[in-house]
Amino acid sequence: QVQLQESGPGLVKPSQTLSLTCTVSGGSISSGSYYWSWIRQPAGKGLEWIGRIYTSGSTNYNPSLKSRVTISVDTSKNQFSLKLSSVTAADTAVYYCASSIAVATSWFDPWGQGTLVTVSS
Amino acid sequence: EIVLTQSPDFQSVTPKEKVTITCRASQSIGSSLHWYQQKPDQSPKLLIKYASQSISGVPSRFSGSGSGTDFTLTINSLEAEDAAAYYCHQSSSLPYSFGQGTKLEIK
Repeated sequence: QVQLQESGPGLVKPSQTLSLTCTVSGGSISSGSYYWSWIRQPAGKGLEWIGRIYTSGSTNYNPSLKSRVTISVDTSKNQFSLKLSSVTAADTAVYYCASSIAVATSWFDPWGQGTLVTVSS
Repeated sequence: EIVLTQSPDFQSVTPKEKVTITCRASQSIGSSLHWYQQKPDQSPKLLIKYASQSISGVPSRFSGSGSGTDFTLTINSLEAEDAAAYYCHQSSSLPYSFGQGTKLEIK
């Protein structure tokens, strides 16, 4: 049973880069059968898909964030990471990592527990 | 980008009532529509995949239907533990998108 756990700073200053890591346990991130995604949720609001990475390293990003987002994978540590640059208060949210089966169209399961990132000076 | 619109945004319901939540897509997405339940301070949990396929471990009172642009999540005989927000999600095309959510309050 694959489990995901987010980690990273809970407070980031405006204009800086938000960096989060998702650690995968119970399975290998390089199995080739999954996409690894980041999703965020501002307090009291809905869900926004940020982007995903395949084990080959290929990525897809939400156009609304594409210019500021980088997702990478470290197979040796069984982790994948999110970097979001030039953050503002609008980037304050709970950030989730999630996996989806690498088929043409798939759902998110499982999800990590989420980590709150606040952008403030 | 495909926009998903859920209705209602909020519903207050009594136990044992039947609840219907709808999700409308801005263009046809076939059956690439999934439903999640999110309880306060928890991450979303998959309820239904591919519009109508059940998920192991999810109570049978949850069911889904629809295809194309119109989808429905039905909760039969609502229980107090079903108080949560419910989201639809489309995986037909990138960027993936979610509905704005429906919050269920149990009276």
